[in-house]
Amino acid sequence: AQSVAQPEDQVNVAEGNPLTVKCTYSVSGNPYLFWYVQYPNRGLQFLLKYITGDNLVKGSYGFEAEFNKSQTSFHLKKPSALVSDSALYFCAVRASSASKIIFGSGTRLSIRP
Amino acid sequence: EAQVTQNPRYLITVTGKKLTVTCSQNMNHEYMSWYRQDPGLGLRQIYYSMNVEVTDKGDVPEGYKVSRKEKRNFPLILESPSPNQTSLYFCASSVSLGGEQFFGPGTRLTVL
Repeated sequence: AQSVAQPEDQVNVAEGNPLTVKCTYSVSGNPYLFWYVQYPNRGLQFLLKYITGDNLVKGSYGFEAEFNKSQTSFHLKKPSALVSDSALYFCAVRASSASKIIFGSGTRLSIRP
Repeated sequence: EAQVTQNPRYLITVTGKKLTVTCSQNMNHEYMSWYRQDPGLGLRQIYYSMNVEVTDKGDVPEGYKVSRKEKRNFPLILESPSPNQTSLYFCASSVSLGGEQFFGPGTRLTVL
């Protein structure tokens, strides 16, 4: 069975500091991994994805994520946080052999000025 | 403009009164999906469709129906809504199963 975990409900970071939002997954076979962001009263927006290739994936708004197969993780990172990065972030996974997509419970990122 | 549209955006209804939430995309995407978002539970997939006339259950299909008669439309039907279906619903589409999903603006449903 597929599953994805976002162990932190909330992450608080000062503006200008690096940020990390954690995601771990469990699938049979190769994973397709995604990060999405949700701003207040909006739908989700795609940030980045990993399917194959380079373990470091770069995405929108300066975000990047590192695929770590041995730790089954796909943590979202940004070198320097902005107040405007404050939002709800979702990790999602799909096994390459499956049709369902599983989302994590979400992590609320709060960037203080 | 490439987009996914949902209607209505807000709906308050009563238990047992059949309702339909429409979803339409203008990107010629093959894969479409419905999710519900509940606090602390993230997004849970209700139904998905790989193409016209091809639909399958997600993780929480009970109490919902879907149809995919045209590529652009993927309505969500609640035949007999109950209060536990009060939630925020999102429709999404992607060019393929491995592609990024484009989400609609959401439909906030309250069932009294």
